[in-house]
Amino acid sequence: GENVEQHPSTLSVQEGDSAVIKCTYSDSASNYFPWYKQELGKRPQLIIDIRSNVGEKKDKRIAVTLNKTAKHFSLHITETQPEDSAVYFCASTDSWGKLQFGAGTQVVVTP
Amino acid sequence: DTGVSQDPRHKITKRGQNVTFRCDPISEHNRLYWYRQTLGQGPEFLTYFQNEAQLEKSRLLSDRFSAERPKGSFSTLEIQRTEQGDSAMYLCASSLQQGNTEAFFGQGTRLTVV
Repeated sequence: GENVEQHPSTLSVQEGDSAVIKCTYSDSASNYFPWYKQELGKRPQLIIDIRSNVGEKKDKRIAVTLNKTAKHFSLHITETQPEDSAVYFCASTDSWGKLQFGAGTQVVVTP
Repeated sequence: DTGVSQDPRHKITKRGQNVTFRCDPISEHNRLYWYRQTLGQGPEFLTYFQNEAQLEKSRLLSDRFSAERPKGSFSTLEIQRTEQGDSAMYLCASSLQQGNTEAFFGQGTRLTVV
């Protein structure tokens, strides 16, 4: 089955700097890679996603890249702000559409 | 509220008791997932449905756990003979079609086994 690994587990950045989170997956049939943000005590919410026919996608300060050959994908947050502090989860779906999550990255943006 | 709803939001139960949680997905979504989340961890896959069909149940899940989606709409997750290790947040999510579209989460049911 699919296995998603996520690094780092914690990330502390100065406000205005960039944050990068990396994930790897094992199932070569995986075709959908969403990223979720979870604030304390709240439900996970989608912030950006990418499908296997695309190598990069950007939405304002957030971008995701996908390398299908290497089976890894990354989340990039530029010009970080205090409200970016949260736990971020990567995920991937296998050929059956089963959604599996990474262990999460705690991002702390310090003023 | 047209989002995913879960009931109850909180449940405290004594060890050995049975508990049942309910999830109402977004109405047009035919995919429904159950996850378990403990502090500091990502959502751990438990099971998922395509309409009323249960497609897979995690091999890590004991026989004390069972889920149903009898009419392809709401779903229930039952835990029999609860143990302290079952204490966690139980999250439900739903999505359209084959699952390669956004999955929307409910607010979860927090279970505490004492």
